[in-house]
Amino acid sequence: GAVVSQHPSWVICKSGTSVKIECRSLDFQATTMFWYRQFPKQSLMLMATSNEGSKATYEQGVEKDKFLINHASLTLSTLTVTSAHPEDSSFYICSAADPFAGDYGYTFGSGTRLTVV
Amino acid sequence: SQKIEQNSEALNIQEGKTATLTCNYTNYSPAYLQWYRQDPGRGPVFLLLIRENEKEKRKERLKVTFDTTLKQSLFHITASQPADSATYLCAPGSARQLTFGSGTQLTVLP
Repeated sequence: GAVVSQHPSWVICKSGTSVKIECRSLDFQATTMFWYRQFPKQSLMLMATSNEGSKATYEQGVEKDKFLINHASLTLSTLTVTSAHPEDSSFYICSAADPFAGDYGYTFGSGTRLTVV
Repeated sequence: SQKIEQNSEALNIQEGKTATLTCNYTNYSPAYLQWYRQDPGRGPVFLLLIRENEKEKRKERLKVTFDTTLKQSLFHITASQPADSATYLCAPGSARQLTFGSGTQLTVLP
């Protein structure tokens, strides 16, 4: 089945620094990937839709200059949290859909736990 | 605005019983609805998708119903096992957009 690899699985960074999270589709090409954020005991909130070769579409309230998304190839999307602050600490998850896989839903990465200290 | 409610934050049932989880949505007409399982510290795993023109779908011990009139989906796990313990998320969707409910944490007691 479709596999999405997300790296790193956890990261601790100092306030004011930037962190890059990678999301790769391993066995299929994904023209569209999605980035979510999840706070403890809350649901996944869509942050942005990443489109290969074009600018990402951000959800209302998500700062595009703070959460930089790059989808430079059909198998890789990256999310960079710039000038991170403690309130950015969260669980970030990416997902993608194999357009040829029928009713297999979306495949999610294993998530990245970001802690800003 | 769209609102998705899952019946309860937590549900405890005895092993072997059928677990029934509810997902209600308002201000929304999704073309399909998906159910996912999420374990602590992990990304969601896709379980089932049901389309608006389908009433019921089954996969092994899982069954999903979709009532577009009631704006509700029911998710059943029959012959539940402790390994079924996890958080289950419903996600109504249209086109490529999914909106997730807050989830129901299911605990199956041995």
